[in-house]
Amino acid sequence: AQSVTQLDSHVSVSEGTPVLLRCNYSSSYSPSLFWYVQHPNKGLQLLLKYTSAATLVKGINGFEAEFKKSETSFHLTKPSAHMSDAAEYFCVVRQDSSASKIIFGSGTRLSIRP
Amino acid sequence: NAGVTQTPKFRILKIGQSMTLQCTQDMNHNYMYWYRQDPGMGLKLIYYSVGAGITDKGEVPNGYNVSRSTTEDFPLRLELAAPSQTSVYFCASRKTGEETEAFFGQGTRLTVV
Repeated sequence: AQSVTQLDSHVSVSEGTPVLLRCNYSSSYSPSLFWYVQHPNKGLQLLLKYTSAATLVKGINGFEAEFKKSETSFHLTKPSAHMSDAAEYFCVVRQDSSASKIIFGSGTRLSIRP
Repeated sequence: NAGVTQTPKFRILKIGQSMTLQCTQDMNHNYMYWYRQDPGMGLKLIYYSVGAGITDKGEVPNGYNVSRSTTEDFPLRLELAAPSQTSVYFCASRKTGEETEAFFGQGTRLTVV
């Protein structure tokens, strides 16, 4: 069975400083991993996805994530935070052997200080 | 292209009432999902479907039922609403393939009083 753990429920950074949102996964097979963003009272938008082509994945709005199999991690980063990045971020895993269930992490709320 | 459409957007139910949350997608996706999101929490999988006529339970199926008579539609039924079912419900779909992402509707905010 697969699972995903987001290590921080809330992260606060100053505008212009780097962002790191941490995610660890557990999967018996090679997983597909995703990061979604949810702005207040909005739906979910795909930021980026890891498949198998490259371990460093670039997404929208300057975000990127690196898949590290040895650490079972898929942390999300951005070099310089912007006020518009304030939102809830979800790490998501899909176990390809079953190809069905998509499991969400509990989310990390990102706050940006002026 | 409308994507994934959920109706209604908001609903207030009394305890014991029943209702159906509608979800339809126009992308010809085989896979569809229902999630609930409680305040400050992640999304929990209620039910999912891998194609018309096939449904399966997710993490939190109790109190809900689904059906999938067509590829486009995946309604979620609450038979006897309870306060614990107060939540925001999201429907999602994705196409067949190992590396495909899910597309989400805008959500239905349900309050049971």
